[in-house]
Amino acid sequence: DTGVSQDPRHKITKRGQNVTFRCDPISEHNRLYWYRQTLGQGPEFLTYFQNEAQLEKSRLLSDRFSAERPKGSFSTLEIQRTEQGDSAMYLCASRGGGEQFFGPGTRLTVL
Amino acid sequence: GESVGLHLPTLSVQEGDNSIINCAYSNSASDYFIWYKQESGKGPQFIIDIRSNMDKRQGQRVTVLLNKTVKHLSLQIAATQPGDSAVYFCAESNAGNNRKLIWGLGTSLAVNP
Repeated sequence: DTGVSQDPRHKITKRGQNVTFRCDPISEHNRLYWYRQTLGQGPEFLTYFQNEAQLEKSRLLSDRFSAERPKGSFSTLEIQRTEQGDSAMYLCASRGGGEQFFGPGTRLTVL
Repeated sequence: GESVGLHLPTLSVQEGDNSIINCAYSNSASDYFIWYKQESGKGPQFIIDIRSNMDKRQGQRVTVLLNKTVKHLSLQIAATQPGDSAVYFCAESNAGNNRKLIWGLGTSLAVNP
């Protein structure tokens, strides 16, 4: 257990539905990252927060995706109007001054 | 039936042998490199890191080697154990890109008892 938690661990949804995932980072870490990982691939960067500010977003983050970190602690990632291509593992990581610590991920399946 | 998908490079070793996993990185501006271990259905787990001002770093049973000239990174695992079976990823970052991680192609390590 790295100290980073994610909820839910698994989500099955129908195409067109909205989903929201939550990440709770290590409490003293002010930097938070979201990544997406598909089967057999390495994670791909989605977005980065320093405290409550979203400082970088990948081009992978289409307008159907939004992420927030309202109080600089937990973060949420919302996907609107889900598509089958959104099926993946969504990983959250937090960082203090050194390496990134990853949560267990949320596995999303879009039917 | 037939399955279609991306097949990871696989390294198969005997328990007790040493393992070497290689990785090529892409950005000559990267100054920080990490090896992660990922077991099925779990998030990546930190193994060891190295900064660009070093060429070797040792941990417990693991050693990372960095060759900046050819942009190559390797992970050596001594006395490989069945619990080491997993997919191993290298990742690179630099201070200029918010330390986001750029990941290499994973290697699946299978340890035979």
